[in-house]
Amino acid sequence: GAVVSQHPSRVICKSGTSVKIECRSLDFQATTMFWYRQFPKQSLMLMATSNEGSKATYEQGVEKDKFLINHASLTLSTLTVTSAHPEDSSFYICSASDRGKNNEQFFGPGTRLTVL
Amino acid sequence: GDSVTQMEGPVTLSEEAFLTINCTYTATGYPSLFWYVQYPGEGLQLLLKATKADDKGSNKGFEATYRKETTSFHLEKGSVQVSDSAVYFCALSGSGSRLTFGEGTQLTVNP
Repeated sequence: GAVVSQHPSRVICKSGTSVKIECRSLDFQATTMFWYRQFPKQSLMLMATSNEGSKATYEQGVEKDKFLINHASLTLSTLTVTSAHPEDSSFYICSASDRGKNNEQFFGPGTRLTVL
Repeated sequence: GDSVTQMEGPVTLSEEAFLTINCTYTATGYPSLFWYVQYPGEGLQLLLKATKADDKGSNKGFEATYRKETTSFHLEKGSVQVSDSAVYFCALSGSGSRLTFGEGTQLTVNP
C-alpha cells in the first residue's frame, strides 16, 4: 500500500510553453501533498505544500504565479509550470501524506522536465 | 529552525565493506528521523525510520539508532553490495508531516 504515481515521467517542452505534472495517490487518500524540486547532485527543495480543497502554501522564494499547484481531490495534485524557461529544467518530485498513516510522506518516482 | 547535516560524499567502497554515513540534526522537540534512498532517475524510497530516542530502525541490512544525547542518526551496514549504490538522504520530521532533508550522500560500491 501507499503508492504514489507521477505523470509524465519525462517531458521536454519549448521555452514559453506550460507543462502540467500530475501526482496521484493510488491506494490512499492524501490529505496533504508536497512538491519538491531537485537539482543535479543536490538535495530536495520543498516548493509548496497543498491540502485538499485549499490553496497551496509556497516556500519563500518560490513564485506561486509560475508554479501553479492544484489539489482538487484527495488523490490528485497537479503542478503546472507556466511559461517555462530553460532554468526551470529540473527533477520534480511529489509526495503525499495522510493523517491515518501517521503523516508519513510517500514519494512519487519524479518527473524530469527539460525546457529547450 | 530544524536542520540536518550529513557526512559529505561521495563515498566509494568495495563490495562487502562496512558502511557508515553520519547524520546529525538540530530540532526542537522530539522529531522522527528517517533515511531515504534514491536510485538514479528515481524518486525517494523510505529505507528506515525511528520515531523516538533509542529506537533502532532497520531494513535490508541497514540500521540506524536514534541517539538523542548526540542528536545523531548514523546509517550503517555491515556488508555493502553493488546494488546498494545510490544516494542516501537523512531527514527529520517535526510537528506535522513536513520533512527537512540533509544534503544527500552518494554511495558507489565497486565489485
